[in-house]
Amino acid sequence: EPEVTQTPSHQVTQMGQEVILRCVPISNHLYFYWYRQILGQKVEFLVSFYNNEISEKSEIFDDQFSVERPDGSNFTLKIRSTKLEDSAMYFCASRTRERPPTEAFFGQGTRLTVV
Amino acid sequence: GIQVEQSPPDLILQEGANSTLRCNFSDSVNNLQWFHQNPWGQLINLFYIPSGTKQNGRLSATTVATERYSLLYISSSQTTDSGVYFCALGYAGNNRKLIWGLGTSLAVNP
Repeated sequence: EPEVTQTPSHQVTQMGQEVILRCVPISNHLYFYWYRQILGQKVEFLVSFYNNEISEKSEIFDDQFSVERPDGSNFTLKIRSTKLEDSAMYFCASRTRERPPTEAFFGQGTRLTVV
Repeated sequence: GIQVEQSPPDLILQEGANSTLRCNFSDSVNNLQWFHQNPWGQLINLFYIPSGTKQNGRLSATTVATERYSLLYISSSQTTDSGVYFCALGYAGNNRKLIWGLGTSLAVNP
């Protein structure tokens, strides 16, 4: 069964360092997303990406964040200068269509710890 | 924006018991999904169910969109069912993102 894969599963980084979280969406999917979940809290939308550009971003997704689809398979989230409050689980998701919507498939997540 | 409420917030069961988790929402939806987050934090897709009923093994789900709720049934619970169950939904005002509830934290004791 096709799945969304995320790497690494866990990353520890020093405050102020740049991190790149990687995702391989399902191959025939066209819409890509990042969500994050701070420990003990609800899952929050960060950004959606379609046709090589951001289609929507939340207020959390400030200038420290960027997304990229560098090739035909990978979808990355970069945090330029990490802060302690960026510590969270980050989930990548993909789907075939938004209108009408189809099921969104989520990766297993990357646990980011900023120290 | 749309509001999502899940109940109960916490649930403790003995192995073998059945349970019903509820997700209420405040607006019409065109996309509703149930997820299980295991103790390691991984999200597992359970159901895509904007309307109707689906079953997968010991789990089943029903969404009554006109009455703005969805139910997740767990029968003959096992310790591996422990974790947090989330419903997440999309609505006509914004198909793009999923809005998540706070979840139901389930502990199944042996």
